[in-house]
Amino acid sequence: DAGVIQSPRHEVTEMGQEVTLRCKPISGHNSLFWYRQTMMRGLELLIYFNNNVPIDDSGMPEDRFSAKMPNASFSTLKIQPSEPRDSAVYFCASSFQAHTDTQYFGPGTRLTVL
Amino acid sequence: AQSVTQPDIHITVSEGASLELRCNYSYGATPYLFWYVQSPGQGLQLLLKYFSGDTLVQGIKGFEAEFKRSQSSFNLRKPSVHWSDAAEYFCAVLGAGGGNKLTFGTGTQLKVEL
Repeated sequence: DAGVIQSPRHEVTEMGQEVTLRCKPISGHNSLFWYRQTMMRGLELLIYFNNNVPIDDSGMPEDRFSAKMPNASFSTLKIQPSEPRDSAVYFCASSFQAHTDTQYFGPGTRLTVL
Repeated sequence: AQSVTQPDIHITVSEGASLELRCNYSYGATPYLFWYVQSPGQGLQLLLKYFSGDTLVQGIKGFEAEFKRSQSSFNLRKPSVHWSDAAEYFCAVLGAGGGNKLTFGTGTQLKVEL
């Protein structure tokens, strides 16, 4: 299995631009998670989906952030408009069942907003 | 809500020496506990997990952890560290009281001296 796939691996953009991060979970996994990692706040859960349905988005920092999962093999995290404080590494993870099963992490997308 | 404390931000050990990374959790009931490792530029990889049963859990790469309810701890150990173990280690707790979220500690950066 290829594992969780994220793209792009690195993204540099200017403040105000729209940013879209992509994730392909492991085939057969029913749950997908988006995390953000920063030096100041560590690892934070932004949102998670179960069977393509968003279950808990209380970690999404503000309305500029949105996430979708149109099918079982694809998810996006969008930031519009982006701000410098959004600079972080964004991880996608998937598991067979939400939380009680092992979460497998992708390599992350390092986002820099200038 | 649950929380995780990793009191050591940085730890340096010599190759071949034993290792213990500390983790304390706060949660009212029996938690699900995890240790993940993150190598530079990589995603998180699960080392081991504790759900119930034997309080001494064996993981990959020769790591083990012991759940001690009386001390609210889940410390990670390895009898002999290898240079390739240099990475950042995260303890995490899952609890229903927190909305089934996986809450991570702030991480411990391990440096291995040759």
